[in-house]
This record gives sequence, structure tokens and C-alpha cells, in this order.
Amino acid sequence: ETGVTQTPRHLVMGMTNKKSLKCEQHLGHNAMYWYKQSAKKPLELMFVYSLEERVENNSVPSRFSPECPNSSHLFLHLHTLQPEDSALYLCASSQDTANTEAFFGQGTRLTVV
Amino acid sequence: DAKTTQPPSMDCAEGRAANLPCNHSTISGNEYVYWYRQIHSQGPQYIIHGLKNNETNEMASLIITEDRKSSTLILPHATLRDTAVYYCIVSPYNQGGKLIFGQGTELSVKP
Repeated sequence: ETGVTQTPRHLVMGMTNKKSLKCEQHLGHNAMYWYKQSAKKPLELMFVYSLEERVENNSVPSRFSPECPNSSHLFLHLHTLQPEDSALYLCASSQDTANTEAFFGQGTRLTVV
Repeated sequence: DAKTTQPPSMDCAEGRAANLPCNHSTISGNEYVYWYRQIHSQGPQYIIHGLKNNETNEMASLIITEDRKSSTLILPHATLRDTAVYYCIVSPYNQGGKLIFGQGTELSVKP
């Protein structure tokens, strides 16, 4: 138990569906992150939020839309995804962007059919 | 791209020390060496980090060469639960959770 909780753990969605991934942390951290881990590829940083403001967007397609309503919650809204978007989506948090240790959630295994 | 080079896989006997090497020959003066591990189907877990001195915590020891171009993570008494992919990452101190992962080393601890 890392203190970072992601829901759902597994998600199957069609290419025309709209769904959202949720991440919640109760560690009092001010920075939150979304990572993507595709099969046989390294983890890729997608988005960085600091104090609820997006500070980094690593060339992620617009079909992925993050939202950070407060410092404890982070969402990833998904729409019109492609099968190649199937991956493990991981949320992480750290005290702030200058802190050394990141805490990761268990991830959401997404399958796009 | 990741700035580190690690062997893709290693085996270790249960109860023995696991020594995981990492090359980071282009490391900058303000960059730290971090180690994370990822057990199958879970999120990565922080292990340890260091700048130039050797570091030890309850999980592992980190040995950094004097020129800082390579390091070794040591798990002193490996258990079956240490089977995981181990990632060596170099990053400035102020990057926090903004980590650039490589392929890592898949460590298999065998009975």
C-alpha cells in the first residue's frame, strides 16, 4: 500500500467510448503524474501537475485529457482511443516536483477494443 | 532517452547478495542516481538514491564509483519477493517524480 490509489484496476473500452481513470492520494503531496507503460516499452511520462496546475504535457494526443480538481485527486479522461493505446496507466505523486521520492499507484490496465 | 545502461536480466540465488550494475557515463554534476523496482503488475517502488557517496537504507545499498560513471545496487540477502525489474535512473534533484525510465534489469531470485 503506497498511499496512491487508482481506480478502476482494469478497464475494457470501445474506440467510441468515453471513460475516466481516477487517482487519489492521501499523502499530502503537491505534485501528481500520469505515466503510460505499453507492452515491452519503458514507462513514459505523460503529464505533470504541481499545485493543481499542469506544468508538463509530453506531446500526448488530445484524446487523453487530464484533470486535477484538487491536490489529492487526478483524473485522466479518455475518448476515441485506439487499440494501440492499450497499456498500463500509472499515477504517481511526490511531495513536490523537487522531492526525490515518487509514490506510484497500482495502475489501471486499459484495453481498447 | 534514458541516460543509463543496465543488463537486461540477471539471476540470483535466494539468500545471496544481488549486485545490479548500472552505467551512466554521461551523468552531470547536478544529477542523482535513483533506483526503483517494479514487481510484476504493480507500480514502481522507490528503493534508494545518491549523489556521490555510498548510501544504505533498510532495503538496499548503493555504491557509486568515484568518477560517478557507474553504480551498483546491492540487495544483501535476496528473497523470492525481490524478483522484479530494477530501474536505474539519473535525474537532477529538482525533478521529483519526473522520471525517465529505461528498460531496466529483470532480476530473478531462484530458490
